[in-house]
Parts: sequence; C-alpha cells; structure tokens
Amino acid sequence: GNSVTQMEGPVTLSEEAFLTINCTYTATGYPSLFWYVQYPGEGLQLLLKATKADDKGSNKGFEATYRKETTSFHLEKGSVQVSDSAVYFCALSANFGNEKLTFGTGTRLTIIP
Amino acid sequence: EPEVTQTPSHQVTQMGQEVILRCVPISNHLYFYWYRQILGQKVEFLVSFYNNEISEKSEIFDDQFSVERPDGSNFTLKIRSTKLEDSAMYFCASSTGGAGKNIQYFGAGTRLSVL
Repeated sequence: GNSVTQMEGPVTLSEEAFLTINCTYTATGYPSLFWYVQYPGEGLQLLLKATKADDKGSNKGFEATYRKETTSFHLEKGSVQVSDSAVYFCALSANFGNEKLTFGTGTRLTIIP
Repeated sequence: EPEVTQTPSHQVTQMGQEVILRCVPISNHLYFYWYRQILGQKVEFLVSFYNNEISEKSEIFDDQFSVERPDGSNFTLKIRSTKLEDSAMYFCASSTGGAGKNIQYFGAGTRLSVL
C-alpha cells in the first residue's frame, strides 16, 4: 500500500535559518504529493502541491520538488520566520479518482527569534 | 473564502455513549472525508463519501462508525458506543473531485474526549 515517511521532529531553528524537512514516499503509479501545515489550534491547511514528476510546488516562500527517481518531496524554505512555527505534514493521494490522503507522521517546527 | 466548518470544537463524552460530529463542507464540493488524529500520532483516513454512499473506508471504520449527509449541506460522523481509544481529533474534509484535482480542504477539527 501507499506510505509516507517523514523526517522526525521536533525541529528548532533560529529565525532566518534555512529549513529542510525530508519526505519520501512509497506508492504505485503516479501519486499527487502535498504538504499540509497545522498551526496551533487550527485545522490542516494545504501549503503546496505537485501532481507529476519534476513539478515544483511553492507557496509563502516554501518549495518542494516532486522527485520520482528518489521518491521524495522535501520541503524547503530559505529563511524561516517565527510565524512559520507549526506542524508540517507530507501527504500523497493516488492520482486518479478521489482517493484518500495518506499522511506522514508530521514534523513540529519551532522558530526562535 | 469558503471553508469547511466543524462543530463542536470539543466534545466530552462517557464511554459507551453515542456521539455525532458535524461538518458543513464547502458548498460546491462533491467528495467528503473524515480523518482522525490521535494525540501525537499521524492523521489517519477513516472514510470517504460521494453521491450519498461510502466510496472507501479504512479498517478503523468498523460497525461502530457511520456517516450521513442528512440534508444536502451537513455531513455527520456517528460513533454508536464510544471507547476510550476513540479519543482523538476528528477532521472533516471536502473536495470538488476529478482525477488529479483531489485538493482536500479541512475543517478545524473536533476534539473528542472519551472518559
């Protein structure tokens, strides 16, 4: 079955540091890949997505590139802010129909001023 | 901006009691989902719903669980006889559907505490 393996947390960085959160996946076919973010006390919000190999998703300074050869979708940001403190989830869905999302374990990110 | 609305935000119940968690999906969405997140664990799929029937369910979604779209706007998750291990955050999600367009929008969740 499909699965997502995500970098264990928690991760603590200083403001303006470079961020990488690793995500690899196992899936049949060609899944769509997502990063969701969960701010304290809130639900899951879609941060970015990519639907085919070599696509780059980007939003709010975050980027992730769909790498089929390494089955990866690592999240990066060049300069993090305190407001980026949240839990980040990598997820995939089969790229047909309306399949469920399969999530990674989530990575809690804390940015200190 | 349209959003998925869930009520209540926190539900406390006694073991063995029935609970109904309510969701109002985004109005033009056709596909509906329930997920749950036990504290400190990953978000897990429970069930998906389309055209007034379940399209997929996980092994977690046993006979104690049911879903319903009673009036064309609400989407409910019922747990008939709650167990301690049902304590979790429950998320509702909806999407417009279509291959390659499965962007699911999530509500803020209902925290269920079973005592």
